[in-house]
Amino acid sequence: DAGVTQSPTHLIKTRGQHVTLRCSPISGHKSVSWYQQVLGQGPQFIFQYYEKEERGRGNFPDRFSARQFPNYSSELNVNALLLGDSALYLCASSLAPGADSYEQYFGPGTRLTVT
Amino acid sequence: GDSVTQMEGPVTLSEEAFLTINCTYTATGYPSLFWYVQYPGEGLQLLLKATKADDKGSNKGFEATYRKETTSFHLEKGSVQVSDSAVYFCALNDYSGGGADGLTFGKGTHLIIQP
Repeated sequence: DAGVTQSPTHLIKTRGQHVTLRCSPISGHKSVSWYQQVLGQGPQFIFQYYEKEERGRGNFPDRFSARQFPNYSSELNVNALLLGDSALYLCASSLAPGADSYEQYFGPGTRLTVT
Repeated sequence: GDSVTQMEGPVTLSEEAFLTINCTYTATGYPSLFWYVQYPGEGLQLLLKATKADDKGSNKGFEATYRKETTSFHLEKGSVQVSDSAVYFCALNDYSGGGADGLTFGKGTHLIIQP
């Protein structure tokens, strides 16, 4: 079975632009979480979607938004990009919040560079 | 709020040396604890986990024991190899039902094993 997939692998954007990142979870997983990993730091939780609804959100501004589709894939959108948004964006899938001993499976990430 | 503190790196060891990476946590509930590993240019891989006090997680020669009394989850390996060189993240999940089960990560410890 395929693992979590993310696209694109790398992306370069200019300040003020908008970006969309995509994630496909493991087959059978209905929950997708997004994390931001700034260079040299641990990942930070952005939000989690389950059954197409947002279940929770970390300390990120409203410029960050996402949605989940009927096939459980997800898009992360960031508006009005800032230099500080440059990071590795990780997607993680799980069966459901709290399921499977809380185990989450991560994709390879999308490296976003804002210039 | 929840937090994870792990020893700063880089940690440089010779092959076959004993490894300890310290991790302590603060949580409002009764969390599950994880160690993730990130190889260069890749996403996160779950290394091991423990879901209740005194549980020992183990995988690939790595071990960590959930110590509730000291709020710790130190990672150990008896004999490291060059292939163990990576960044190691300690994380917790404090899910209590009804919301999101986002992981809280430490800042990561870069481990370098020299032949």
